[in-house]
Amino acid sequence: GENVEQHPSTLSVQEGDSAVIKCTYSDSASNYFPWYKQELGKRPQLIIDIRSNVGEKKDQRIAVTLNKTAKHFSLHITETQPEDSAVYFCAASLSGYSTLTFGKGTMLLVSP
Amino acid sequence: GAGVSQSPRYKVAKRGQDVALRCDPISGHVSLFWYQQALGQGPEFLTYFQNEAQLDKSGLPSDRFFAERPEGSVSTLKIQRTQQEDSAVYLCASSAHSSEETQYFGPGTRLLVL
Repeated sequence: GENVEQHPSTLSVQEGDSAVIKCTYSDSASNYFPWYKQELGKRPQLIIDIRSNVGEKKDQRIAVTLNKTAKHFSLHITETQPEDSAVYFCAASLSGYSTLTFGKGTMLLVSP
Repeated sequence: GAGVSQSPRYKVAKRGQDVALRCDPISGHVSLFWYQQALGQGPEFLTYFQNEAQLDKSGLPSDRFFAERPEGSVSTLKIQRTQQEDSAVYLCASSAHSSEETQYFGPGTRLLVL
């Protein structure tokens, strides 16, 4: 089955800096890659996703890049703010199979 | 509109008790998923429904876990003879239809087995 690795497990940045979280996946048949943000005690919330037919997608301060050849994808957050502090999860799903396989998460701490 | 809801939000059970966790998906959503999230970990797949049909239950950790969605809407995850290792947050998610990949999560049920 699919295996998703996520790094780093924790990331501390100063407000205004950029943050990058990286994930790799094992199954080349995976074609959908969402990113979820989870605040303490809250539900995971989708912040951005990308499908395998594009290499990059951007939404305001958040962007995701995908390298299908290397089987890795990354989340980029620019101009970080304290409210960006949360745990971020990457995930992957196989073509025609909608179950998500998640990474172990990255705890992002943005200091004022 | 209303999102995915789950009840109870918190459940404390004594080892050996049976528990039932409820999920109300977004109205009209065809697909429903259950995930288990251990402390400090990512959600892990348990089972998947398309309408009332349970199409995949490969993630259920033992035969003590059972899920149903008899009318294709509300789903219940039942755990029999709970054990301490069952302590986790149980998340439910729904998506509009089988070819729609975006999953919307509920707030989860935090289960603590003593």
